[in-house]
Amino acid sequence: QVQLVESGGGVVQPGRSLRLSCAASGITFSSYAMHWVRQTPGKRLEWVAVISHDENDKYYADSVKGRFTISRDNSKNTLYLQMNSLRAEDTAVYFCAKGDYWAAARTGVSFDWGQGTLVIVSS
Amino acid sequence: EIVMTQSPATLSVSPGERAILSCRASQSVSNNLAWYQQKPGQAPRLLIFEASTRATGIPARFSGSGSGTEFTLTISSLQSEDFAVYYCQQYNSWPPMYSFGQGTKLEIK
Repeated sequence: QVQLVESGGGVVQPGRSLRLSCAASGITFSSYAMHWVRQTPGKRLEWVAVISHDENDKYYADSVKGRFTISRDNSKNTLYLQMNSLRAEDTAVYFCAKGDYWAAARTGVSFDWGQGTLVIVSS
Repeated sequence: EIVMTQSPATLSVSPGERAILSCRASQSVSNNLAWYQQKPGQAPRLLIFEASTRATGIPARFSGSGSGTEFTLTISSLQSEDFAVYYCQQYNSWPPMYSFGQGTKLEIK
């Protein structure tokens, strides 16, 4: 049974930073690409970032490039999202999701999702 | 960026009937298309990937079709638990720049 549990959300002022975590269990975490996907208050889903199983490859949506950093610690089965220079438009529920093997045709598929953590950027 | 457009925004169907949801890509995504279901207060759940492959545990009443730019999700004989919001997602872009449609809300008629 795959379990992904996000944490670290909260209310933060514009321009500040926040780090999200996603603890994984029930999978061989080090084998899979992992994603962050967010859902806006209007319920739109937006892919945020992906990281390869070995952390060698990372890609970002244009809207977060240069401000957000995805990382992972395979020894702790944990995925991270460091969010800097936060803006009001970053307000969303952030989900972590398990992808497929890196560079496989299905790398971009989110096979399993956590329940999400809410980030509110407001002064 | 590949833009995904879903139609209709809302679909009203009676239980037991068939629902057909559409998704269009602004450029070809081959068959690299997934469908997700989301119920209120829950995370999205993968239904279909590779345009037509059902994910583990997904009932056979869910089927996907299409390739290139036009895709369809068909739910035959709607059950009460199927009323939800459905999203399509393309994952064809490389380097990765994945994108979702805006969603179709399937409601009880």
